[in-house]
Amino acid sequence: EDKVVQSPLSLVVHEGDTVTLNCSYEVTNFRSLLWYKQEKKAPTFLFMLTSSGIEKKSGRLSSILDKKELFSILNITATQTGDSAIYLCAVLNTNAGKSTFGDGTTLTVKP
Amino acid sequence: NAGVTQTPKFRILKIGQSMTLQCTQDMNHNYMYWYRQDPGMGLKLIYYSVGAGITDKGEVPNGYNVSRSTTEDFPLRLELAAPSQTSVYFCASSTGGGRAEAFFGQGTRLTVV
Repeated sequence: EDKVVQSPLSLVVHEGDTVTLNCSYEVTNFRSLLWYKQEKKAPTFLFMLTSSGIEKKSGRLSSILDKKELFSILNITATQTGDSAIYLCAVLNTNAGKSTFGDGTTLTVKP
Repeated sequence: NAGVTQTPKFRILKIGQSMTLQCTQDMNHNYMYWYRQDPGMGLKLIYYSVGAGITDKGEVPNGYNVSRSTTEDFPLRLELAAPSQTSVYFCASSTGGGRAEAFFGQGTRLTVV
């Protein structure tokens, strides 16, 4: 059974701090790992990672994948209150219909 | 830009009632998905479809049914609602292929009392 574990489950920081969110996985026939941000409603896409060691970056957010050790991290630098959200990690296997999500990390950024 | 549209946004059902959650997408995506999200949890896959006429079970299909008669629409049917089905339901679509992000609807908050 495919499994995705995110840590920590929740995190409270102050504006300006840097955070690292973790996602480890056990998936048969791995194809890609995706990060989503979920504010009040629907998840929105952040990154898709398919190759080890290649950093994806968007503004203050960055992510990297380690396919040997089966994990990914999502970094957020200089956090802002608008970064407060649930961050979800999902893994897709070769059967594109089967996506497995972790339970998410709830990030709270205080002013 | 409509994207993925779900209706209704909120619904309260009594135990034993049935209902259909509607989902439609206008991006011509072949792949569509239904997830449920319980408080403090991630998304659990209920059913998915890789194209019109083709559906398959996900992790938690019991108590639900789906159909996919067109590319655009993927309704989720709840028969004999139970309190355990109280959750937020998300419909999503993607181009598929194992390397494509999903686009989500805004969710339906369902309470079964």
